[in-house]
Amino acid sequence: GNSVTQMEGPVTLSEEAFLTINCTYTATGYPSLFWYVQYPGEGLQLLLKATKADDKGSNKGFEATYRKETTSFHLEKGSVQVSDSAVYFCALSSNNDYKLSFGAGTTVTVRA
Amino acid sequence: ETGVTQTPRHLVMGMTNKKSLKCEQHLGHNAMYWYKQSAKKPLELMFVYNFKEQTENNSVPSRFSPECPNSSHLFLHLHTLQPEDSALYLCASSQTSGTQETQYFGPGTRLLVL
Repeated sequence: GNSVTQMEGPVTLSEEAFLTINCTYTATGYPSLFWYVQYPGEGLQLLLKATKADDKGSNKGFEATYRKETTSFHLEKGSVQVSDSAVYFCALSSNNDYKLSFGAGTTVTVRA
Repeated sequence: ETGVTQTPRHLVMGMTNKKSLKCEQHLGHNAMYWYKQSAKKPLELMFVYNFKEQTENNSVPSRFSPECPNSSHLFLHLHTLQPEDSALYLCASSQTSGTQETQYFGPGTRLLVL
């Protein structure tokens, strides 16, 4: 079946630091890959996505590249801000099932 | 209004109460979902509706009763809940034209069962 594994948190950083959150997956076929973000007290928001190998999703300074050879979709941001403090979820949907499989979430706290 | 809305945003209920959560999507999607998000646990998919028909029930206790009168509205009826049912309940919608469509989430209802 489908599964997503992402690095455990919590992660605490200083402003302007580099952020990486690792995500690897197991899936049949050619899944689409997503990063969702959940700010305190809110629901999940789509941050970025990639639908095929070597695609790079990007938004708000965050990037993630779909790596089929390593079955990974790591999230990166070069210079984080306090407003990036949130829980980040990696997810996938496979090409024979429209449901999403989520990772456990990684809590990121950015300090001024 | 745009996107996915949920009401109420916060709910406190006793174990003998009956209440309902409402979700409405303004995106023209055909599929809707209920998720449960508890502290320290992964996101749990509860129910899936596609074109108003329930296509998934992930072994959810019968004290949770979903209703989908049309593709834009989804309800979760609650009765005789337990304290361990306290959680954030998230609604989402998507367009299932084929596969791999993005799900859009509402802000959630924070439920506390006393």
